[in-house]
Amino acid sequence: ELKVEQNPLFLSMQEEKNYTIYCNYSTTSDRLYWYRQDPGKSLESLFVLLSNGAVKQEGRLMASLDTKARLSTLHITAAVHDLSATYFCAANLGQFYFGTGTSLTVIP
Amino acid sequence: NAGVTQTPKFQVLKTGQSMTLQCAQDMNHEYMSWYRQDPGMGLRLIHYSVGAGITDQGEVPNGYNVSRSTTEDFPLRLLSAAPSQTSVYFCASSRLGTENQPQHFGDGTRLSIL
Repeated sequence: ELKVEQNPLFLSMQEEKNYTIYCNYSTTSDRLYWYRQDPGKSLESLFVLLSNGAVKQEGRLMASLDTKARLSTLHITAAVHDLSATYFCAANLGQFYFGTGTSLTVIP
Repeated sequence: NAGVTQTPKFQVLKTGQSMTLQCAQDMNHEYMSWYRQDPGMGLRLIHYSVGAGITDQGEVPNGYNVSRSTTEDFPLRLLSAAPSQTSVYFCASSRLGTENQPQHFGDGTRLSIL
């Protein structure tokens, strides 16, 4: 079984600040996914990372994958209120294993 | 393009009642799965399927049954509802063999067991 841990669980950050969400997983997996969930809504795919050293960026979000360290990061640059949401990482080892999520609140 | 459709969106049941949550996808995805989402616990896999006629258990399968008679449909059955099954249920689907594609999620079913 694959364990996926995210930290922090809760994150309150000021606008225009930078921060990183961490996703650690317990067993070797080359497939790491990031999702966003707005309150009361479904999950929306953000990034798919498929190899060691993979980096993907979309707007103020950048995700990376280090398969040797079993670590993925989601970096937020110059946060804005619209980024407030819960972010999940998930690893795939035949089935998908999700982290507990990071609830991000961006405050003025 | 409907994607993954879940019905109903909301449901209230009494303890001991049974019901079926419906999930349908129109993307010809082989892989379908059911998750429950509880506060502070992320998404936990209940059951999944890699194709018609093939199902397997996930992390929390007790109290739930599934079947996959067609590629499109993957219903989740609660046999005898218990308050511990109060949760938000998500169905998801994806292609097999194309790992660069993420799972597509339905809008969820919010289920309360009294």
